Amino acid sequence: ETGVTQTPRHLVMGMTNKKSLKCEQHLGHNAMYWYKQSAKKPLELMFVYNFKEQTENNSVPSRFSPECPNSSHLFLHLHTLQPEDSALYLCASRSTGLGANVLTFGAGSRLTVL
Amino acid sequence: GESVGLHLPTLSVQEGDNSIINCAYSNSASDYFIWYKQESGKGPQFIIDIRSNMDKRQGQRVTVLLNKTVKHLSLQIAATQPGDSAVYFCAERYSGAGSYQLTFGKGTKLSVIP
Repeated sequence: ETGVTQTPRHLVMGMTNKKSLKCEQHLGHNAMYWYKQSAKKPLELMFVYNFKEQTENNSVPSRFSPECPNSSHLFLHLHTLQPEDSALYLCASRSTGLGANVLTFGAGSRLTVL
Repeated sequence: GESVGLHLPTLSVQEGDNSIINCAYSNSASDYFIWYKQESGKGPQFIIDIRSNMDKRQGQRVTVLLNKTVKHLSLQIAATQPGDSAVYFCAERYSGAGSYQLTFGKGTKLSVIP
């Protein structure tokens, strides 16, 4: 357990479904991230939140909608996804203190879109 | 564009031998580098990091070497154990314009032969 908890661990959804991924961190960090991990591709940054404010949106399609109600929780709302969106979605957090560089990742949510 | 890549996608090592995982980076302005280990079914876990003002850093059984002249990063694992079997990612950070964003490589799969 890294201190970053993601639920659900596995999710199968149809293209017309609406579902959400949840991330919770117990580390007192102020920055939270969503990454997409696809087979044979590098980790792709999707969104960044600092102190609940979105600071980066890496040209992610609008069918992915993030929400950060507080510094400890991060959601990724999914709607009208495509089969190519099937991937492992990783949440990470980081302290924003001086010199803090290390991202702490959760175990990921494995998403399959049928 | 700038990218981080890995020389070898797979590496098989006999238990007890030393492992060397290589990484090339292309942004000469990157100031921070980090190695992550990802075991099956888990998220990436921090191993070791190094700043660009250093050329070597040692941890427990791991050493990271940075050669800025040829823009090369390596991770050395001493006395490789079966528990070291995983995918290893390098990542670089360019902190220009205040951005924290890490750029990840594709990963090298390390298999330890008992």
